[in-house]
Amino acid sequence: NAGVTQTPKFRVLKTGQSMTLLCAQDMNHEYMYWYRQDPGMGLRLIHYSVGEGTTAKGEVPDGYNVSRLKKQNFLLGLESAAPSQTSVYFCASRPLGGPDQPQHFGDGTRLSIL
Amino acid sequence: AQSVAQPEDQVNVAEGNPLTVKCTYSVSGNPYLFWYVQYPNRGLQFLLKYITGDNLVKGSYGFEAEFNKSQTSFHLKKPSALVSDSALYFCAVREYNNDMRFGAGTRLTVKP
Repeated sequence: NAGVTQTPKFRVLKTGQSMTLLCAQDMNHEYMYWYRQDPGMGLRLIHYSVGEGTTAKGEVPDGYNVSRLKKQNFLLGLESAAPSQTSVYFCASRPLGGPDQPQHFGDGTRLSIL
Repeated sequence: AQSVAQPEDQVNVAEGNPLTVKCTYSVSGNPYLFWYVQYPNRGLQFLLKYITGDNLVKGSYGFEAEFNKSQTSFHLKKPSALVSDSALYFCAVREYNNDMRFGAGTRLTVKP
């Protein structure tokens, strides 16, 4: 059981380049999330999805777009990368249900913008 | 709005000693509280959660957490620390079915 898988694991971009981060989960979870982790700031929510075909903004959505065309996949896009987007990005998922459901995390994508 | 604070950036303990990692929260309704652990180059792993009921919650790897409503705290504890417990620990809170909010994290170092 793979759980939540993120690709790629590492990436270096130049300012202005674009890229897409892929998150795949095999647990049939309804909810999916994208976070960024920066030192001393914990995890901050970028965008999330409550089901296939739906997305919503989180705490820090600017500069990012997302899509959830299939239930198992949640894509995070950077249209024009900026150095401020250098971070570790985590995807998470959780099943439909009450607020007591914990989230399951992938191992992250380490992104550097030069 | 829900929020959570971890007042210590770093906690150092000797192996075999008890450990406590502190967390305080703020919500307007009933809180759902979680602890996660993160090892180097890995994602967050769920340790335990508080929903309702007993104020002492037991979780994975011998960890437990004490919920205190009057102090709005949810401190993570372990009676006897192991070197392998060294990691980054995150407290998180969710109110109703809203987004989960994470603390900034506390780095636990257990020295032999």
